[in-house]
Amino acid sequence: KAGVTQTPRYLIKTRGQQVTLSCSPISGHRSVSWYQQTPGQGLQFLFEYFSETQRNKGNFPGRFSGRQFSNSRSEMNVSTLELGDSALYLCASSTDRGSYGYTFGSGTRLTVV
Amino acid sequence: AQTVTQSQPEMSVQEAETVTLSCTYDTSESDYYLFWYKQPPSRQMILVIRQEAYKQQNATENRFSVNFQKAAKSFSLKISDSQLGDAAMYFCAYRSANQGGSEKLVFGKGTKLTVNP
Repeated sequence: KAGVTQTPRYLIKTRGQQVTLSCSPISGHRSVSWYQQTPGQGLQFLFEYFSETQRNKGNFPGRFSGRQFSNSRSEMNVSTLELGDSALYLCASSTDRGSYGYTFGSGTRLTVV
Repeated sequence: AQTVTQSQPEMSVQEAETVTLSCTYDTSESDYYLFWYKQPPSRQMILVIRQEAYKQQNATENRFSVNFQKAAKSFSLKISDSQLGDAAMYFCAYRSANQGGSEKLVFGKGTKLTVNP
Protein backbone atom coordinates (compact mmCIF):
# COMPACT_ATOMS: atom_id res chain seq x y z
CA LYS A 1 0.00 0.00 0.00
CA ALA A 2 1.54 3.30 -1.08
CA GLY A 3 2.20 5.89 1.61
CA VAL A 4 1.50 9.60 1.60
CA THR A 5 3.27 11.16 -1.38
CA GLN A 6 4.37 14.76 -1.39
CA THR A 7 5.79 16.55 -4.39
CA PRO A 8 8.16 18.11 -4.97
CA ARG A 9 10.69 17.08 -2.33
CA TYR A 10 12.67 20.30 -2.61
CA LEU A 11 11.79 23.72 -3.91
CA ILE A 12 13.66 27.01 -4.12
CA LYS A 13 11.65 30.15 -4.76
CA THR A 14 12.27 33.88 -4.76
CA ARG A 15 10.56 36.34 -2.46
CA GLY A 16 7.28 37.54 -3.89
CA GLN A 17 6.67 34.41 -5.95
CA GLN A 18 3.95 31.89 -5.26
CA VAL A 19 4.24 28.15 -4.82
CA THR A 20 1.96 25.13 -4.94
CA LEU A 21 2.71 21.94 -3.04
CA SER A 22 0.96 18.65 -3.67
CA CYS A 23 -0.05 15.79 -1.42
CA SER A 24 -1.52 12.42 -2.39
CA PRO A 25 -2.94 10.61 0.65
CA ILE A 26 -3.06 6.90 1.28
CA SER A 27 -5.79 5.28 -0.78
CA GLY A 28 -9.06 5.42 1.16
CA HIS A 29 -7.96 8.25 3.44
CA ARG A 30 -10.33 11.18 3.14
CA SER A 31 -8.73 13.55 5.65
CA VAL A 32 -5.63 15.52 4.71
CA SER A 33 -3.85 17.92 7.05
CA TRP A 34 -0.91 20.25 6.45
CA TYR A 35 1.77 21.30 8.92
CA GLN A 36 4.66 23.73 8.74
CA GLN A 37 7.88 22.73 10.50
CA THR A 38 10.59 25.28 11.31
CA PRO A 39 13.48 25.17 13.79
CA GLY A 40 12.10 28.17 15.67
CA GLN A 41 8.36 27.50 15.78
CA GLY A 42 8.38 23.72 15.56
CA LEU A 43 5.38 21.98 14.01
CA GLN A 44 2.40 24.21 13.41
CA PHE A 45 -0.99 23.23 12.00
CA LEU A 46 -1.97 24.93 8.75
CA PHE A 47 -5.32 23.38 7.76
CA GLU A 48 -7.30 20.18 7.38
CA TYR A 49 -9.52 19.03 4.56
CA PHE A 50 -12.12 16.29 4.55
CA SER A 51 -14.18 15.37 1.52
CA GLU A 52 -13.13 18.55 -0.30
CA THR A 53 -14.15 20.81 2.60
CA GLN A 54 -11.82 22.73 4.86
CA ARG A 55 -12.69 21.54 8.37
CA ASN A 56 -10.14 23.39 10.37
CA LYS A 57 -7.62 26.20 9.87
CA GLY A 58 -4.57 27.24 11.84
CA ASN A 59 -3.35 30.70 12.63
CA PHE A 60 -1.63 31.57 9.39
CA PRO A 61 -2.12 34.58 7.11
CA GLY A 62 -4.42 34.43 4.12
CA ARG A 63 -1.41 33.96 1.83
CA PHE A 64 -1.61 30.31 2.83
CA SER A 65 -4.46 28.46 1.20
CA GLY A 66 -5.34 24.95 0.22
CA ARG A 67 -7.85 22.73 -1.45
CA GLN A 68 -8.79 19.11 -1.78
CA PHE A 69 -9.97 17.34 -4.88
CA SER A 70 -12.59 14.63 -5.26
CA ASN A 71 -9.88 11.94 -5.24
CA SER A 72 -8.70 13.30 -1.84
CA ARG A 73 -5.46 14.68 -3.25
CA SER A 74 -4.67 18.05 -1.75
CA GLU A 75 -2.68 21.09 -2.70
CA MET A 76 -1.53 24.01 -0.64
CA ASN A 77 -0.59 27.35 -2.10
CA VAL A 78 1.50 30.12 -0.65
CA SER A 79 1.36 33.46 -2.42
CA THR A 80 3.73 36.41 -2.15
CA LEU A 81 6.44 34.32 -0.54
CA GLU A 82 8.45 35.74 2.34
CA LEU A 83 11.82 34.58 3.68
CA GLY A 84 10.05 33.36 6.80
CA ASP A 85 8.03 30.90 4.76
CA SER A 86 11.14 28.75 4.37
CA ALA A 87 10.23 25.52 6.09
CA LEU A 88 9.47 21.84 5.77
CA TYR A 89 5.82 21.41 4.83
CA LEU A 90 4.35 18.11 5.93
CA CYS A 91 1.14 16.53 4.78
CA ALA A 92 -0.70 13.91 6.80
CA SER A 93 -3.68 11.73 5.99
CA SER A 94 -6.09 9.63 8.01
CA THR A 95 -9.16 7.48 7.51
CA ASP A 96 -11.38 9.23 9.96
CA ARG A 97 -11.10 12.09 12.37
CA GLY A 98 -7.52 11.17 13.09
CA SER A 99 -8.17 9.33 16.32
CA TYR A 100 -5.99 6.45 15.22
CA GLY A 101 -3.17 8.71 14.23
CA TYR A 102 -2.09 10.29 11.02
CA THR A 103 0.27 8.98 8.34
CA PHE A 104 2.73 11.61 7.25
CA GLY A 105 4.56 12.15 4.00
CA SER A 106 8.26 12.99 3.77
CA GLY A 107 7.50 16.65 3.26
CA THR A 108 8.45 19.38 0.85
CA ARG A 109 11.46 21.48 1.82
CA LEU A 110 10.74 25.03 0.66
CA THR A 111 13.55 27.57 0.60
CA VAL A 112 12.72 31.20 -0.12
CA VAL A 113 15.65 33.36 -1.23
CA ALA B 1 -5.70 26.23 24.00
CA GLN B 2 -3.84 23.02 24.53
CA THR B 3 -0.07 23.00 24.90
CA VAL B 4 2.49 20.21 24.87
CA THR B 5 5.87 20.50 26.58
CA GLN B 6 8.92 18.33 26.07
CA SER B 7 11.49 19.47 28.60
CA GLN B 8 14.42 17.48 27.24
CA PRO B 9 15.76 18.99 23.99
CA GLU B 10 18.34 16.20 23.72
CA MET B 11 18.85 12.77 25.23
CA SER B 12 21.38 10.04 24.68
CA VAL B 13 21.38 6.33 25.46
CA GLN B 14 23.73 3.41 25.03
CA GLU B 15 22.70 0.72 22.62
CA ALA B 16 20.63 -1.99 24.38
CA GLU B 17 19.87 0.29 27.32
CA THR B 18 16.54 1.88 28.27
CA VAL B 19 15.65 5.55 27.93
CA THR B 20 12.60 7.57 28.92
CA LEU B 21 11.46 10.70 27.11
CA SER B 22 9.24 13.14 29.01
CA CYS B 23 6.12 14.93 27.87
CA THR B 24 3.60 17.02 29.74
CA TYR B 25 0.51 18.69 28.35
CA ASP B 26 -2.08 21.18 29.39
CA THR B 27 -5.76 20.83 28.57
CA SER B 28 -9.16 21.37 30.12
CA GLU B 29 -10.67 18.54 28.09
CA SER B 30 -11.34 15.10 29.51
CA ASP B 31 -11.31 13.14 26.27
CA TYR B 32 -8.33 13.24 23.97
CA TYR B 33 -5.62 11.24 22.27
CA LEU B 34 -1.89 11.36 22.81
CA PHE B 35 0.76 10.26 20.35
CA TRP B 36 4.48 9.84 20.08
CA TYR B 37 5.95 10.38 16.64
CA LYS B 38 9.49 9.68 15.49
CA GLN B 39 11.17 11.78 12.82
CA PRO B 40 14.43 10.34 11.47
CA PRO B 41 16.68 12.30 9.10
CA SER B 42 14.50 11.09 6.23
CA ARG B 43 12.00 13.68 7.57
CA GLN B 44 8.97 11.41 7.55
CA MET B 45 7.02 11.47 10.80
CA ILE B 46 6.37 7.90 11.93
CA LEU B 47 3.71 7.04 14.50
CA VAL B 48 5.34 5.18 17.38
CA ILE B 49 2.51 4.78 19.86
CA ARG B 50 -0.98 6.06 20.63
CA GLN B 51 -2.91 6.44 23.88
CA GLU B 52 -6.59 7.15 24.42
CA ALA B 53 -7.17 9.30 27.48
CA TYR B 54 -10.17 7.34 28.70
CA LYS B 55 -8.11 4.13 28.83
CA GLN B 56 -6.17 3.75 32.04
CA GLN B 57 -3.99 0.97 30.67
CA ASN B 58 -0.69 2.19 29.30
CA ALA B 59 -0.13 1.52 25.60
CA THR B 60 2.75 -0.68 24.48
CA GLU B 61 4.19 -1.44 21.05
CA ASN B 62 7.04 -3.93 21.14
CA ARG B 63 10.01 -2.12 22.72
CA PHE B 64 8.03 1.11 23.15
CA SER B 65 5.73 1.79 26.07
CA VAL B 66 4.20 4.82 27.70
CA ASN B 67 3.56 5.93 31.25
CA PHE B 68 0.28 7.86 31.05
CA GLN B 69 -0.59 9.81 34.16
CA LYS B 70 -3.86 11.60 33.37
CA ALA B 71 -4.16 13.55 36.62
CA ALA B 72 -0.59 14.77 36.30
CA LYS B 73 -1.04 15.37 32.56
CA SER B 74 2.10 13.43 31.86
CA PHE B 75 2.81 11.09 28.95
CA SER B 76 6.36 9.71 28.90
CA LEU B 77 7.79 7.29 26.35
CA LYS B 78 10.06 4.42 27.38
CA ILE B 79 12.26 2.79 24.80
CA SER B 80 13.70 -0.54 25.90
CA ASP B 81 16.70 -2.33 24.36
CA SER B 82 17.59 0.80 22.37
CA GLN B 83 18.82 0.25 18.84
CA LEU B 84 20.87 2.45 16.54
CA GLY B 85 17.78 2.84 14.35
CA ASP B 86 15.94 4.50 17.21
CA ALA B 87 18.07 7.62 16.81
CA ALA B 88 15.72 10.40 15.71
CA MET B 89 13.68 13.38 16.84
CA TYR B 90 10.74 12.31 18.97
CA PHE B 91 7.61 14.42 19.14
CA CYS B 92 4.80 14.17 21.64
CA ALA B 93 1.42 15.24 20.24
CA TYR B 94 -2.09 15.91 21.55
CA ARG B 95 -5.39 15.71 19.74
CA SER B 96 -8.83 16.55 21.07
CA ALA B 97 -11.44 13.78 20.91
CA ASN B 98 -14.41 16.04 21.51
CA GLN B 99 -16.94 16.38 18.72
CA GLY B 100 -16.60 19.89 17.45
CA GLY B 101 -13.19 20.17 19.05
CA SER B 102 -10.07 20.92 17.12
CA GLU B 103 -8.89 17.96 15.09
CA LYS B 104 -5.39 19.24 14.69
CA LEU B 105 -2.36 17.71 16.30
CA VAL B 106 -0.61 19.94 18.82
CA PHE B 107 3.07 19.04 18.98
CA GLY B 108 5.79 19.53 21.52
CA LYS B 109 9.14 20.96 20.44
CA GLY B 110 10.71 17.54 20.24
CA THR B 111 13.53 15.57 21.85
CA LYS B 112 16.57 14.58 19.83
CA LEU B 113 17.58 11.05 20.79
CA THR B 114 21.12 9.84 20.13
CA VAL B 115 21.94 6.15 20.45
CA ASN B 116 25.59 5.40 21.15
CA PRO B 117 27.08 2.08 20.03
